[in-house]
Amino acid sequence: AQKVTQAQTEISVVEKEDVTLDCVYETRDTTYYLFWYKQPPSGELVFLIRRNSFDEQNEISGRYSWNFQKSTSSFNFTITASQVVDSAVYFCALSEAVAGNNRKLIWGLGTSLAVNP
Amino acid sequence: DVKVTQSSRYLVKRTGEKVFLECVQDMDHENMFWYRQDPGLGLRLIYFSYDVKMKEKGDIPEGYSVSREKKERFSLILESASTNQTSMYLCASSLKASGYTGELFFGEGSRLTVL
Repeated sequence: AQKVTQAQTEISVVEKEDVTLDCVYETRDTTYYLFWYKQPPSGELVFLIRRNSFDEQNEISGRYSWNFQKSTSSFNFTITASQVVDSAVYFCALSEAVAGNNRKLIWGLGTSLAVNP
Repeated sequence: DVKVTQSSRYLVKRTGEKVFLECVQDMDHENMFWYRQDPGLGLRLIYFSYDVKMKEKGDIPEGYSVSREKKERFSLILESASTNQTSMYLCASSLKASGYTGELFFGEGSRLTVL
């Protein structure tokens, strides 16, 4: 079954530590998309990144980096030198085809990250 | 910047009341979505719409209906609110071309408590 697993429910780190949020997915599709979203305490989910299944290049954006490995069906997210403002719930999601030309977005349950001063 | 605005951040209603949750986006997006978010259950899709007057059921449509009379506005309706509909409701929009493969823009959420 199609599934996104974020095994870490909560993570707590001290500011300036590096932290990796894990995301493992299951899909039967050869074409799919993976996402990360951030939900700060204000509640509004914010898009961070999208990756398609044919692009396994790692991505770096400032202190954020993503490691996509099809061999292990993982799309992990690393924050380097974490800051208090990184405190949020982070969601991984999978978009894959269902019947016809429709697609379905499947969400992980999220990882709550607390960065303490 | 894309703005998705949900009319109420916090609502308290009584069992059996009819509840309207309004969502407006200002970027001419074709797709609009309603999710509910509950601890331990993540985000679950209630309804979505790919165009004006068009609606499709999501994963948990029971007890809800929607209305999309204008492109920018997508309303979620609880015909007779029940306590198990106490939740955080999130509205989102996206460009039609992207569908589920593109970026969703979310509102800040409406926290509904049904007593």
